Amino acid sequence: TQLLEQSPQFLSIQEGENLTVYCNSSSVFSSLQWYRQEPGEGPVLLVTVVTGGEVKKLKRLTFQFGDARKDSSLHITAAQTGDTGLYLCAGAQGRTDKLIFGTGTRLQVFP
Amino acid sequence: KAGVTQTPRYLIKTRGQQVTLSCSPISGHRSVSWYQQTPGQGLQFLFEYFSETQRNKGNFPGRFSGRQFSNSRSEMNVSTLELGDSALYLCASRDGTNYGYTFGSGTRLTVV
Repeated sequence: TQLLEQSPQFLSIQEGENLTVYCNSSSVFSSLQWYRQEPGEGPVLLVTVVTGGEVKKLKRLTFQFGDARKDSSLHITAAQTGDTGLYLCAGAQGRTDKLIFGTGTRLQVFP
Repeated sequence: KAGVTQTPRYLIKTRGQQVTLSCSPISGHRSVSWYQQTPGQGLQFLFEYFSETQRNKGNFPGRFSGRQFSNSRSEMNVSTLELGDSALYLCASRDGTNYGYTFGSGTRLTVV
């Protein structure tokens, strides 16, 4: 059972465009993390959000955790070719260290 | 600070064989988790160890097992390999204060 659905599944855009990736669930999470994965490598942590309604900004990336802690979004402003990769959201429930990963969004940014 | 190290990077095994994968976490990290990544199922949680104790286990058959040593290094074992076990196996570690995990580069297992 996949508890975290990401949309869109694929995204192909030109450099300079803005984009938003969504991560939705019917379950509540104690924290939500976003990772980016490049081919042949493991996921790299971008951010962790823990408070409902929390917004975190990392340069051109803005992350938001839904008020009810069931969903999250990642917004990239002025995408660059270096943003290309697989974006994964992952939620933790309770005090467990088990992460439930989303279905993934594959982003391709063209010059 | 060295990252999470997984060995080997690539492995080809025959159906029915068994395999052992190794993971060395970041120094000082006591929590180690294992995930299986496939194109069809994405990243699926296998198990998590903390101070040599398995704290969580995912929905995988008993052919998948693991352990953690006193130095926090971890191994996972898959017995009686099946074609469907072909995947990227990822190990991740974290310390007790931060939520986020640091992943290794993974072991690509191909079962033929």
